[in-house]
Amino acid sequence: DAGVTQSPTHLIKTRGQQVTLRCSPKSGHDTVSWYQQALGQGPQFIFQYYEEEERQRGNFPDRFSGHQFPNYSSELNVNALLLGDSALYLCASSFRVESYGYTFGSGTRLTVV
Amino acid sequence: GQNIDQPTEMTATEGAIVQINCTYQTSGFNGLFWYQQHAGEAPTFLSYNVLDGLEEKGRFSSFLSRSKGYSYLLLKELQMKDSASYLCSYTGGFKTIFGAGTRLFVKA
Repeated sequence: DAGVTQSPTHLIKTRGQQVTLRCSPKSGHDTVSWYQQALGQGPQFIFQYYEEEERQRGNFPDRFSGHQFPNYSSELNVNALLLGDSALYLCASSFRVESYGYTFGSGTRLTVV
Repeated sequence: GQNIDQPTEMTATEGAIVQINCTYQTSGFNGLFWYQQHAGEAPTFLSYNVLDGLEEKGRFSSFLSRSKGYSYLLLKELQMKDSASYLCSYTGGFKTIFGAGTRLFVKA
């Protein structure tokens, strides 16, 4: 039973470019949340998708957008990349309510140069 | 507003017991989670409290007091592999908010 799968694992982009990160949730999960984790910090909530709609959003600018597909997989898009966007991007899946905790993917390490 | 605080670092000895505290302030609360995160890896779920009291799971226990906005994670019989960051988080509405994490160093 596959857990949460994220791709790519590492990525280097130039300031001003756009990036798309991908996530496949754990089998049986229908909700996907995205987090940004800077070095030495806790994960910061970006947004959550359920039934192909953004259900809740954290304090991130509109440069951060996402999508959820009918098979529950999800994408995170970041436009006009800034150096400060360099971080580990984590995808977490759950079944509806988070009573049993999230299952996290291993993350995508994004470096903006 | 949303605020969650936990100590930055703690050090304990192998075989000992350590308690990691967490305080939070939020207008909406559905539950309190603890996650373990080893360096360079994804967080893994440890425990969940929705009602006041103590939840025990093997060497790990977690306590919650909703009226005080307080939780702690208790780790018993510490092992070297317990050296990691421990993330306190709460759910409110449809989002889970994480603290900055407590880095635990277990020494021999």
